[in-house]
Amino acid sequence: QVQLVQSGAEVTKPGASVKVSCKVSGISLTELCMHWVRLAPGKGLEWMGGLDPDDGGTIYAQKFQGRLTVTEDKATDTASMELSSLRSEDTAVYYCTTNLASFYPYYFDLWGQGTLVTVSS
Amino acid sequence: EIVLTQSPGTLSLSPGERATLTCWASQSISSSYLAWYQLKPGQTPRLLIYGASRRAAGIPDRFSGSGSGTDFNLHISSLEPEDFAVYYCQHYDTAPALSFGGGTRVDI
Repeated sequence: QVQLVQSGAEVTKPGASVKVSCKVSGISLTELCMHWVRLAPGKGLEWMGGLDPDDGGTIYAQKFQGRLTVTEDKATDTASMELSSLRSEDTAVYYCTTNLASFYPYYFDLWGQGTLVTVSS
Repeated sequence: EIVLTQSPGTLSLSPGERATLTCWASQSISSSYLAWYQLKPGQTPRLLIYGASRRAAGIPDRFSGSGSGTDFNLHISSLEPEDFAVYYCQHYDTAPALSFGGGTRVDI
């Protein structure tokens, strides 16, 4: 079956960058429109960005413009997101997620297991 | 940018009771692009409803969605112990962009 398996937990310092990967199995990454969502402690779900279904580029939430980079390696069916200039407020569980029923991210019905990123000095 | 506001922030109910959660959009949106999720501690988000009223695969029929325009609701007809969780609405904008509401916690 289709699965999204994310890389392991990360502990990093303020000002640094973190890269989280999401390996797709059971389907080709080219058939999916991958997006990233995070859940910070005491906060709600927050959409960060992902693939633009219309032109194959990337779209980012305004809050993450300039700090977030979403990439895809089609050869290995792996999607990644890199967040730079980290601050303590970026401590969160980061999820890759997609819609299996449509290439458009109208909703998300498949999620990775989540990757905890802890930003601490 | 469309902002989703959920209410109440917390809903305190007992098993067997009916729950109604509300999601308001800052401007009229297509019901085709409104979804609801359930989130429990330590678990991944679970899609419950898409297209405002369509149940996702495997979702019990005690969950239902309704609404149009700017006002949307998630209904749980009779709460089971496993339904106590946080619920989020989510909208897809053809811009494109996505947004989540702030969440409603359903507590015992």
